[in-house]
Amino acid sequence: EVQLVESGGDLVQPGGSLRLSCSASGFIFTHYSMHWVRQAPGKRLEYVSGISTNGDSTYYADSVKGRFTISRDNSKNTLDLQMTSLRPEDSALFYCVKDGRITSWGQGTLVTVSS
Amino acid sequence: EIVLTQSPATLSLSPGERATLSCRASQSVSSYLAWYQQKPGQAPRLLIYDASNRATGIPARFSGSGSGTDFTLTISSLEPEDFAIYYCQQRSNWLSFGGGTKVEIK
Repeated sequence: EVQLVESGGDLVQPGGSLRLSCSASGFIFTHYSMHWVRQAPGKRLEYVSGISTNGDSTYYADSVKGRFTISRDNSKNTLDLQMTSLRPEDSALFYCVKDGRITSWGQGTLVTVSS
Repeated sequence: EIVLTQSPATLSLSPGERATLSCRASQSVSSYLAWYQQKPGQAPRLLIYDASNRATGIPARFSGSGSGTDFTLTISSLEPEDFAIYYCQQRSNWLSFGGGTKVEIK
């Protein structure tokens, strides 16, 4: 069974930094691109960032480009999202998503940016 | 970036009625389109992948069709548990999501 467990969400002040992690199990991690998707309360799903199987190709939404960095450790089956210069509008539930015909989602980790 | 536009934004229907939801892509995504259902406080649930394939455990009343730029999700007869928000998502070029269609009780 595929399992994706996110962690690292917290309350942080504007301008601060946070690192999210996703621990993956139940599938061959190195075979799949991975993604981060966020959802602010009461809002739509927003694609944040993606990374290819070996990490040599990445994608960032314009709203986070230059501030967020996605990475993966294929030896540990983990996906990370380093977030800097956080803004109130970054407040959201962040989901880790496995790519493929059949996607899988974690339950999310909550990021709140507020003073 | 591929933009997905869903319509209508809200669909007001009664249980037992047929629901037809639309998703249009700004450029061809071939058949790389999925549909999700989301209820309050829950992660999105995959309903349909590759435009027309039902995910494991999804009832037969859910069906998907289309290819290229125009896609449809049909719920043949709404059950009480089907009232929720539905999103389309493409995986042709990274990912992107539509704005969602809320199916509400009339």
